Order: sequence, then C-alpha cells, then structure tokens
Amino acid sequence: DSGVTQTPKHLITATGQRVTLRCSPRSGDLSVYWYQQSLDQGLQFLIQYYNGEERAKGNILERFSAQQFPDLHSELNLSSLELGDSALYFCASSLTGSGNTIYFGEGSWLTVV
Amino acid sequence: AQSVAQPEDQVNVAEGNPLTVKCTYSVSGNPYLFWYVQYPNRGLQFLLKYITGDNLVKGSYGFEAEFNKSQTSFHLKKPSALVSDSALYFCALTGANNLFFGTGTRLTVIP
Repeated sequence: DSGVTQTPKHLITATGQRVTLRCSPRSGDLSVYWYQQSLDQGLQFLIQYYNGEERAKGNILERFSAQQFPDLHSELNLSSLELGDSALYFCASSLTGSGNTIYFGEGSWLTVV
Repeated sequence: AQSVAQPEDQVNVAEGNPLTVKCTYSVSGNPYLFWYVQYPNRGLQFLLKYITGDNLVKGSYGFEAEFNKSQTSFHLKKPSALVSDSALYFCALTGANNLFFGTGTRLTVIP
C-alpha cells in the first residue's frame, strides 16, 4: 500500500458527461501529480500541484482541470467526455518535488461509453 | 530535452535465470532515475532510484539497477527471475517537477 488513496476505483459514464476523480496523498506529502495511462499513449503526465498551487502542466486537455485543496487532497475534473478519454487515471504524491520518490495510487478506471 | 527510452517492449526469461530490463536516458545535468513495476490492474510500485553515489542501486524484491553515466543507461537487473516478477516495468527520469516515463517493458518469466 503506497498510502495514496484514489476514488472511485471504477466508473462508467456517457459521452458528454463530467466526472470528478479524487485523491488523498500520503501523509506529509505536499506534491500531488495526475497521470493518464492508456493503451496507445502510455503514461502521460497531466498536472502537478504543490501545497495548493499549480506547479507544472503536462499534456492536460482544456476540458480537464484539477485543484489541490488546503487539506492537500486533490481532484481531477474531466468534462465533455469523449470515448478517447477512457483510461486509467493515476494520482501520485511526493514530499516536495525533484529527486523525491513519487508514490502512486491504484488508479481510477474511467470508461466512457 | 529530457527523455527516457526502453528499447524492448517485451522481455522473456526462464525462471531462475538472470534478467535485465534496459533503460537509457537523455538529460542535461545530473539525472534522478527511477524504476517502477506495474502488476495487472494495479498502480505503479516504486522499486528503486538513483540520485547520487554508488552506481549499483539495490531495491525491493531483490532488484538492482546499474547507473552508467558514459552509456547513459540505467538497466534493471535481478540475479534469478521468479514467475511472480512477470509484470510491466517502467523506467523514469525526474524533471523539474514531474517524472518522464519510458514506454514500459513487459517482462514474462517462463516457468
């Protein structure tokens, strides 16, 4: 158990809908990362937050957004969903940033039908 | 630009034989390198990392990795493979604020 908690584990939703994925980082970790894993794209970095502030942005679509709250949990919002958004979404956390080990949650499986 | 390459999509090895999963990297400056393993329908589990110091890094489950600066490589090794080692392995390089992952190597250990 990495200590990173993600909910829900699985969800199925229709195209055009909006979903929210939730992440609780490991105790004491200030950085939260979101990654998308799909068969054709591999592991893609989406976005990072550090202590409530956005620190780095990767290949995140404009339809997606995230935030980190004062209690350090994070949410990834996916809207206007398309079939191609079906993927495994990982949250990860680390103490600070570069050089620290990043620990991953078990992921949220999103299926868009 | 920073990047990580895993040249082999698939590696097959017989149980009990030594295994190697290859990784090369490209970075300006000193690299921070990681190996992660992903079992089916699971998250990524941290195996080991190289930050500085000894070029041979020991990690979880008997795995080790050798950092070679001249060859810009960070190959994952294990002296004796187990069937339970069968999984997807990712090499990663830390950038300023996130990890850059390789495309992954699927390791199959044949009984």
